[in-house]
Amino acid sequence: DAGVIQSPRHEVTEMGQEVTLRCKPISGHDYLFWYRQTMMRGLELLIYFNNNVPIDDSGMPEDRFSAKMPNASFSTLKIQPSEPRDSAVYFCASSPLDYGGVYFGPGTRLTVT
Amino acid sequence: AQTVTQSQPEMSVQEAETVTLSCTYDTSENNYYLFWYKQPPSRQMILVIRQEAYKQQNATENRFSVNFQKAAKSFSLKISDSQLGDTAMYFCAFMKQGYDMRFGAGTRLTVKP
Repeated sequence: DAGVIQSPRHEVTEMGQEVTLRCKPISGHDYLFWYRQTMMRGLELLIYFNNNVPIDDSGMPEDRFSAKMPNASFSTLKIQPSEPRDSAVYFCASSPLDYGGVYFGPGTRLTVT
Repeated sequence: AQTVTQSQPEMSVQEAETVTLSCTYDTSENNYYLFWYKQPPSRQMILVIRQEAYKQQNATENRFSVNFQKAAKSFSLKISDSQLGDTAMYFCAFMKQGYDMRFGAGTRLTVKP
């Protein structure tokens, strides 16, 4: 059974460019999460979805960030325009309904120059 | 708001010995879930063990076990017979009902040969 799939694994872009990160959750999982990891702030929850509906986006840092989940098998996190302080590892994760744990993808390392 | 505290930024242990990583949390919830995740240099987040707050029995997964003290809001991880492959960052995480998962700052564990 495939785990959470993220693409791209690495992204290098220039300040001001649009960045789109993609995620395919584990089939059958009802919840999808986007986390950001930096040395300074650790792991931060950005937003999470239940059955494709955004439940809590209070962790989204600002209006430059947006996330969508058009169906149960796909989600995107978009940054427009990107800034150097957005450089981080972005994790997508999914979870079943039974509080069994949150399963993480391999992450996307984003570098904004 | 829930907070998770890992007071040991770094620890080391000799191969084959036992080590305990500490975690405390603060919450007003009565029903919640606690987890330990491992993040090796590959940066993949791996679920190690989970504990349900309503269960008094401590969870065990092979060489990994927890000491859950609900009244003290403490959730430590014990690794027995440490192996070189256990070298990683370890994160304690708290999840309340509603799937809002929060992480501690992490403990960097080094297993020495």
